Amino acid sequence: DIQVTQSPSSLSASVGDRVTITCRASQHIANYLNWYQQKPGKAPKLLIFASSRFYGAVPSRFSATGSGTDFTLTITNLHPEDFATYYCQQSFNTLLTFGQGTRLEIK
Amino acid sequence: QLQLQESGPGLVKPSETLSLTCAVSGGSFSSGTSYWGWIRQPPGKGLEWIGSLHHSGSTYNTPSLKSRVTIFVDTSKNLFSLNLTSVTAADTAVYFCARQHSAYDRFFDSWGQGTLVIVSS
Repeated sequence: DIQVTQSPSSLSASVGDRVTITCRASQHIANYLNWYQQKPGKAPKLLIFASSRFYGAVPSRFSATGSGTDFTLTITNLHPEDFATYYCQQSFNTLLTFGQGTRLEIK
Repeated sequence: QLQLQESGPGLVKPSETLSLTCAVSGGSFSSGTSYWGWIRQPPGKGLEWIGSLHHSGSTYNTPSLKSRVTIFVDTSKNLFSLNLTSVTAADTAVYFCARQHSAYDRFFDSWGQGTLVIVSS
């Protein structure tokens, strides 16, 4: 299986801050990397697919990049509604795997 | 607007079979390129993909659950189902059904609200 490792596992930040979450795949996955946001008690919500493509009405303060094994999700000018848990997911092959998640908390 | 709704028992005894159904409405289920998937999340933990299927019946699932998983479809009722046999406490989780965009774009773009299944005697 392709493993995806997220870092950090948790992150404290303030409204207005800029944060970056990293996802590293255990092998080359081209741009087959997706990002989700999950709030407590809710289903995950797709934010980014194919490494950097927005899905739906994602605010422009979100950006994502990466290819191969290393990927990042950056949020600038954090809004209160951005505090959530973020997951990456690789879709390079049919054995889909998620990262362990990054919990973004208000400082 | 596409909606997915999970249903099934909230409590299952150890060694028994967990059976869940996902009803799909508001969109095309038995035509097109979409796949349909099951993902679970143990309390306080991360997401684990279980398996995906196409309305044609083509399926694939995670080897970590080996032969315990069956995913099948009922196109006449616009629903798909999950059976997980020989459950243990480790199978306690919120189970989500979701639409997988396509066979090659294997991301999940629409999700059900999730249903908590507790394995306990």
